[in-house]
Amino acid sequence: DIQMTQSPSYLSASIGDRVTITCQASQDIVNSLNWFQQHPGKAPKLLISDASKLETGVPSRFSGGGSGTDFTLAISSLQPEDVATYYCQQFDSLPLTFGGGTKVDIK
Amino acid sequence: EVQLVESGGGLVHPGGSLRLSCTTSGFRFSSYEMNWVRQAPGKGLEWVSYISDSGNTRYYADSVKGRFTVSRDNAKNSLYLQLNSLRAEDTAVYYCARGPTGYMDSWGQGNLVTVSS
Repeated sequence: DIQMTQSPSYLSASIGDRVTITCQASQDIVNSLNWFQQHPGKAPKLLISDASKLETGVPSRFSGGGSGTDFTLAISSLQPEDVATYYCQQFDSLPLTFGGGTKVDIK
Repeated sequence: EVQLVESGGGLVHPGGSLRLSCTTSGFRFSSYEMNWVRQAPGKGLEWVSYISDSGNTRYYADSVKGRFTVSRDNAKNSLYLQLNSLRAEDTAVYYCARGPTGYMDSWGQGNLVTVSS
């Protein structure tokens, strides 16, 4: 199985700060990576597909990058509504696997 | 509007069974592959199962293989997950998600399954 390692597991930043979350795959997955956002008590929401494609309706302050084994999710200017847990997910091979999650909070 | 609504969860004893349903609307269900994903309380996301649009192809996580069965009824726009031989570690919120494994773009609100004596 492909292991997905996210870091950090928790981060606290100020409104307007740029924040970056990293996700590392245990083997080359090319760009077969998605990012999800999950607010407390809610279902996950697809933010970015294929490592860098922003889903329709997702604010442009979100961006994704990387390929191979190393990926990033960046929020250019943190907003209150961005408080959530973020997960990366690989779909290069079954079983699908998710990172452990990064909880983002406001300082 | 795309909608996915799970039902059928609840409290069940270890070794028991449960059938989850995911009723959909707002899109052509028969054209979409579907998945089940679960989340144990306070934990991360775990993919459980996949079914093709026709229902002919199914995949499972090793943790549920042989105990869970995914199925669908395209005439009823519904997806199902039969959970047998339940264990405490199956306690989770179960989500149905629309799309292939690489593009789960719409999710239900989730349904809690609690396995406890």
